[in-house]
Amino acid sequence: GAGVSQTPSNKVTEKGKYVELRCDPISGHTALYWYRQSLGQGPEFLIYFQGTGAADDSGLPNDRFFAVRPEGSVSTLKIQRTERGDSAVYLCASSLTKAGSVVDEQFFGPGTRLTVL
Amino acid sequence: DQQVKQNSPSLSVQEGRISILNCDYTNSMFDYFLWYKKYPAEGPTFLISISSIKDKNEDGRFTVFLNKSAKHLSLHIVPSQPGDSAVYFCAASGRQGGSEKLVFGKGTKLTVNP
Repeated sequence: GAGVSQTPSNKVTEKGKYVELRCDPISGHTALYWYRQSLGQGPEFLIYFQGTGAADDSGLPNDRFFAVRPEGSVSTLKIQRTERGDSAVYLCASSLTKAGSVVDEQFFGPGTRLTVL
Repeated sequence: DQQVKQNSPSLSVQEGRISILNCDYTNSMFDYFLWYKKYPAEGPTFLISISSIKDKNEDGRFTVFLNKSAKHLSLHIVPSQPGDSAVYFCAASGRQGGSEKLVFGKGTKLTVNP
């Protein structure tokens, strides 16, 4: 009966390195979201999956960012050639898309704190 | 351009009194609004929501009011309790392009003093 889990909880890397952040959504949730929260800001949308496909990737800041969800469950956010400005908490959320609902509640994980030195 | 604005970074109230958190938005396409609560080192948790066809939604100690003409919403907590101390985020959704992405404000840190 676990909620959304994210690993690692903390990641420290050096500028220019590649990182992968993992999200395990709530079982059965078809929708999955990635957000980024910088210091003093609210969460900022990155990408939204419905099943295996990225339904909306308009929030990805540039082509160094990529996310996959190959089996419609676990998702991985990949960041290439990391920059110091990528330092933030990366939040994952999932929701159960219900037919006829207005907006489905998004359940958030605890986040991965990424620090790029 | 911030589409959802929470202009008060912090608010301090006495236990038992009312807490009022405010939020303004600029995008008239938003049709659903949510409040999330966040404790340190945890992800945001859903608190209460309101559809744009309503002007009030109440759930226990929490009430959200929506003024569409002013593009303003507020969260009322009464009576406030020390356990309510957290950062509160206002969020909006417009199902733009079929996505239910949420647009968040910067948050208001609420402190309820015993």
